[in-house]
Amino acid sequence: QLVLQESGPGLVKPSETLSVTCSVSGDSVMSSIYFWGWMRQPPGKGLEWIASLYIQGGTHESPAVRGRLTISKDASKNEVSLRLTSVTAADTATYFCVGGIGSYAAPPFWIDTWGLGTLVTVS
Amino acid sequence: DIQMTQSPSSLSASVGDRVTITCRASQDIKSYLNWYKHEVGKPPKLLIYSASSLHTGVPSRFTGSGHGTEFSLTINGLQADDFATYYCQQSHSPSLPTFGGGTRVDI
Repeated sequence: QLVLQESGPGLVKPSETLSVTCSVSGDSVMSSIYFWGWMRQPPGKGLEWIASLYIQGGTHESPAVRGRLTISKDASKNEVSLRLTSVTAADTATYFCVGGIGSYAAPPFWIDTWGLGTLVTVS
Repeated sequence: DIQMTQSPSSLSASVGDRVTITCRASQDIKSYLNWYKHEVGKPPKLLIYSASSLHTGVPSRFTGSGHGTEFSLTINGLQADDFATYYCQQSHSPSLPTFGGGTRVDI
């Protein structure tokens, strides 16, 4: 069973860089089954997709964060990471690591597993 | 971008009730629609994928239907642990998945 656990800084100052990591257990981040991604949920609001990373290394990024975001995976640590630069208060949210089923270029796809999430406040 | 609109945004129901949540897409997404349940303090869970396929382990009281731009999630015989927020998500565009605004189901 795939289990995802996020860890983050809790508090980040405006204009600085937010970094969160996701520890993956139950499968390898090099798995051919899953793509990896990040979702976020601002306080009191709904879910927002921000990025996906596929086995071949291809990525999709939300226009809301494109140019500020790096998503990557580390096979040696079995981790997925998110780095978001030049943060503002609008980036305050609970960040969820996800494992999904689907391909880079075509539907369908779905999010099979979610982490519990880590709250990051920009202030 | 494909916009997803859920209704209602919230509803109150009782144990045993039948509840239906609807989701409308701004363009034809065929059957590329997923449903998730999110309880406070827990990770979201996949309920339904591809509009009507029940995810492994999800009780059969959850059913999904629809095609094109109109979709629905029905819970037949609401149970105590069904009180949560439900989200639809279009899976037509891997490059830009979008969620509905959520429907909160309260006691």
